[in-house]
Amino acid sequence: GAGVSQSPSNKVTEKGKDVELRCDPISGHTALYWYRQSLGQGLEFLIYFQGNSAPDKSGLPSDRFSAERTGGSVSTLTIQRTQQEDSAVYLCASSLARRLAGGPSGANVLTFGAGSRLTVL
Amino acid sequence: AQKITQTQPGMFVQEKEAVTLDCTYDTSDPSYGLFWYKQPSSGEMIFLIYQGSYDQQNATEGRYSLNFQKARKSANLVISASQLGDSAMYFCAMREGRYGNKLVFGAGTILRVKS
Repeated sequence: GAGVSQSPSNKVTEKGKDVELRCDPISGHTALYWYRQSLGQGLEFLIYFQGNSAPDKSGLPSDRFSAERTGGSVSTLTIQRTQQEDSAVYLCASSLARRLAGGPSGANVLTFGAGSRLTVL
Repeated sequence: AQKITQTQPGMFVQEKEAVTLDCTYDTSDPSYGLFWYKQPSSGEMIFLIYQGSYDQQNATEGRYSLNFQKARKSANLVISASQLGDSAMYFCAMREGRYGNKLVFGAGTILRVKS
């Protein structure tokens, strides 16, 4: 697609429920990232995929959080037994090149989706 | 220790004036990259400018320039001729290592442009 697509854009759930957030990266982008942004805060790294493998899961806050990527494309972030502190905007990003940089081609640029806003009541 | 520090929670600037948003970073890796992103109220993250640690010149992209002072470990964003549409949150971020696999972000600075 033309950009990084995320769904749902908004999700309200009750504490203890499981949620799935989906990310569809830009076509051909091999690198995919999940970040979390709590209200008024900076972005917190969660997980990085290169192809279907996740060489860096260091940012996942607990074992309630998991993510997978299939076919080198779509990724799903799953949060089990949601807690109120999980409320945040979950941002997905992708890049064509492994090395993140600038450059006129845009290949090395990390491009973000619009995010999925999760509210846990 | 914080990898990226943005000390200005909020800034105001008069339309058509220039403004500098501060960013300092901390790394022992000689190869790194520094980025600035803009996040308007709509929420999307927009890439603005990039500076590599070995780049000899300060990066510029239109009205955006990066004042890179390597010895001081600072990478301030300068926006010239501010426009109302520049009102947004601005994030500084760093990639550690030549092939570092993620960006580490600062807490951000909210910029408000006054007419």
